[in-house]
Amino acid sequence: ETGVTQSPTHLIKTRGQQVTLRCSSQSGHNTVSWYQQALGQGPQFIFQYYREEENGRGNFPPRFSGLQFPNYSSELNVNALELDDSALYLCASSSGQGSGETQYFGPGTRLLVL
Amino acid sequence: SQELEQSPQSLIVQEGKNLTINCTSSKTLYGLYWYKQKYGEGLIFLMMLQKGGEEKSHEKITAKLDEKKQQSSLHITASQPSHAGIYLCGADNNNDMRFGAGTRLTVKP
Repeated sequence: ETGVTQSPTHLIKTRGQQVTLRCSSQSGHNTVSWYQQALGQGPQFIFQYYREEENGRGNFPPRFSGLQFPNYSSELNVNALELDDSALYLCASSSGQGSGETQYFGPGTRLLVL
Repeated sequence: SQELEQSPQSLIVQEGKNLTINCTSSKTLYGLYWYKQKYGEGLIFLMMLQKGGEEKSHEKITAKLDEKKQQSSLHITASQPSHAGIYLCGADNNNDMRFGAGTRLTVKP
C-alpha cells in the first residue's frame, strides 16, 4: 500500500450536479496530482498542487477545480457534471514538484454520471 | 507535448513464459516510470529510469531505457498469474506525468 487514500471509492451523480473527491497524501509528501482515467486509456493529468498552490494544469476546463490544505490533503471539485466526466479519478502524492519525483497513487474514485 | 505509445495493447501468455512490453516516446525521456494497475484500481509503482542505457530489476521484472532515451522496455521472466494486470509507462513532463494507454497482460495458468 502507498499510504495515499481517496474517498469515496464509488460515486453516482446526474448531469449538472457537482462533486467533491478527496485525497490524503502519503506522510511526508507535499505535492498532490490529480488524474482522470477513462476506460481503456491511460491517466490524463488534471492539475497538481504544491504547498497549497496550483502548480500546473492539464487540458481540463475551469469547472474542474481543486484545493490543497495545510496538511497537504487535497480535494478535486467538478461542477456542472457531464456524461463524459464518468471515469476513474486518481490522486498521486510525491515529496516534491517537478521531474524525478516518483508519484504514488491512491486506489481511485470511480465516478459515474448518469 | 510528449506522446507515449505502448505495444502491444494486450498480451496473453501461458504461465512460465517470458514477455516484453514496449514504450516509445515522441521526445527524449527525462524520467520514465513503469506502473502496474489492477482493473479499476490505483497504480502501483514498479520502477523509474532516468539515464540512457539504464536497467533495473525487481524480482522477475526488468526495465530498460535505451541509450537515446526514447524507448523503454519491460521484461517479465517466467510469468505468473500474479503478473496479470495493466502495465503503464509514464514520462515526466515538467509538473505532470504523461502516460501511455497501457498494455493489458493476461497470464493463463
